[in-house]
Parts: sequence; structure tokens; C-alpha cells
Amino acid sequence: NAGVTQTPKFRILKIGQSMTLQCAQDMNHNYMYWYRQDPGMGLKLIYYSVGAGITDKGEVPNGYNVSRSTTEDFPLRLELAAPSQTSVYFCASSPTLWEQYFGPGTRLTVT
Amino acid sequence: QQPVQSPQAVILREGEDAVINCSSSKALYSVHWYRQKHGEAPVFLMILLKGGEQKGHEKISASFNEKKQQSSLYLTASQLSYSGTYFCGTETPGAGGTSYGKLTFGQGTILTVHP
Repeated sequence: NAGVTQTPKFRILKIGQSMTLQCAQDMNHNYMYWYRQDPGMGLKLIYYSVGAGITDKGEVPNGYNVSRSTTEDFPLRLELAAPSQTSVYFCASSPTLWEQYFGPGTRLTVT
Repeated sequence: QQPVQSPQAVILREGEDAVINCSSSKALYSVHWYRQKHGEAPVFLMILLKGGEQKGHEKISASFNEKKQQSSLYLTASQLSYSGTYFCGTETPGAGGTSYGKLTFGQGTILTVHP
């Protein structure tokens, strides 16, 4: 099993550009999450999903959108990138709502 | 509102013990503990649920005081590999008990273990 994979690993965006952060898991987990982590800070939940076709907002959803068309994939869309979205983005999945398995992260810089 | 962790940083020598605390102002359904090494993803350590159930690594122990909405992580006989930042994540109750793993994380406690 590859676990949770994220692409790209690094990305630099100009203000106003858009992009999609990819997240995939091969463990057949129903629950998936997107977090952002600013330098020296804890993680903040952006969006989560309890299964294919079902998503809901987390703590900091503004400026982001998600979709979940399959169990495996949970992409995060950034529209009109702003410097405040400079962060490390982690995707996670969970089989039981107990432990969450994190991907390696995407480091995004918006300039 | 995010939970508050204390201390912010701890420095130990190998073999010493440490306690990391996590306190919330909200009623909690569960408390989760994760460790993150520099430049890496967080790794699950333990979950403690309201009612006493818990699951985690064998060498890690923790407690959850439901009345005070506080949790403590106990690291005993520390090893160099214990170094990293420890985060607690709290989950408040949802309509059916759980809120589907929606965690609010603390600011982290940096643990450094020296030889």
C-alpha cells in the first residue's frame, strides 16, 4: 500500500492564480480530511469528507473547495490564491474516525 | 477555540520522563495525540474517548479528565526518537456523539531529547 499520497510536493503560485492539490489513498478509508499548517503552528481543518459524494466545511474553508467523486481521491481546489494561503497542506484519511493517517504534505508559497 | 497545550517546550536527557498537558474550554468527545518530526507529517499516537475507552501505541500512556476537559500525555524513559512536536487534537460531540473526526489542534509542545 502506498498509503496517502499528495501531489505536488512543492508549488509556487502568483497572487490570483488557481490550482488543485491532489490527494489519494489506497486503503479504502471512508473518512478524509484537508488541513493547513502555518509555520510553528498547529493544524487547522479546511474540509472533510465522510464518503464519496459527501463533504463538509471545517474550521477555515474560505478560499478553498473540495470534491469527492471516489473513495480514493479528495482534491483541494484553491481559487484566486492569496499570500495568506501560503502554508503546508496535509491530507489525511481514517478508517474508523480514531486514527488519522497523514500524507507527506504540499508546501505552497503564494507571491 | 483551540485547546491550550503546556508546556510550550521541554528539554530532556535520555531516560527522563515528561508530561504534556492539553486543556479545552469546551466539552469534549475525544482527545487525540500526534507527534510530528521536523519536515514530516504528523503521526498518530493515541486517542482517548469520553467514557474511558482509549487506543494507542504500547509505549505511550495518557489520561483524560472528562470533568475538567483536560488530557495529559506521559512520556517515560524518553529516547532520542521521542524528539519532535506533540499536538493534541480535540473533538467536540456531534449529533450522534462523534463529529466525524473534526479535530481542533493545539499549538504544539516541542520536545527535545538529548543523549
